[in-house]
Amino acid sequence: GNSVTQMEGPVTLSEEAFLTINCTYTATGYPSLFWYVQYPGEGLQLLLKATKADDKGSNKGFEATYRKETTSFHLEKGSVQVSDSAVYFCALAAGGTSYGKLTFGQGTILTVHP
Amino acid sequence: DTAVSQTPKYLVTQMGNDKSIKCEQNLGHDTMYWYKQDSKKFLKIMFSYNNKELIINETVPNRFSPKSPDKAHLNLHINSLELGDSAVYFCASSNYQGLSGVGSQYFGPGTRLLVL
Repeated sequence: GNSVTQMEGPVTLSEEAFLTINCTYTATGYPSLFWYVQYPGEGLQLLLKATKADDKGSNKGFEATYRKETTSFHLEKGSVQVSDSAVYFCALAAGGTSYGKLTFGQGTILTVHP
Repeated sequence: DTAVSQTPKYLVTQMGNDKSIKCEQNLGHDTMYWYKQDSKKFLKIMFSYNNKELIINETVPNRFSPKSPDKAHLNLHINSLELGDSAVYFCASSNYQGLSGVGSQYFGPGTRLLVL
């Protein structure tokens, strides 16, 4: 079956530091890959996505590249802000009989200090 | 305008009770989902409906029964609530794209269920 593994958190950084959150996946076929962010007390928001190999998703300074050869989709940001403190989820979804259901990683808690 | 809305936001109830959670989306999507988030933040799919038809039914106790009166609504009814049902339940919606791809899912704010 499909699975997603994220680096364990929590991750604590100072403002303006560089962020990497690792994500690797196992899937049959060619899934689409996503990063979702969950701010405290809120639902999940789509942060970025990539639908095929070598695609780069980007949004709000965050980037991730779909690497088929390493089955990875690592999230990066060059300079984090306190407002980026949240839980980040890597996820994959396949079409066909999976009907687009999301398989999530375990989530990584990010805390950014001033 | 809220794209995906859920009611109630909080639900505190006693073991053995029956409760329902409602979800509505105004995005015009044809597919809706229920996910459960446990205390460790882990998210897992429960059900999915496409155009009012059940298409995903993961290993969920049959005390949980989803209902989709139309493609903009997906409700979740839970019978005989147990302590282990305490979690945050998220509704989501997307457009199903079949074999050609996967539509992005948009999530509601969640319903925090606490069973005492």
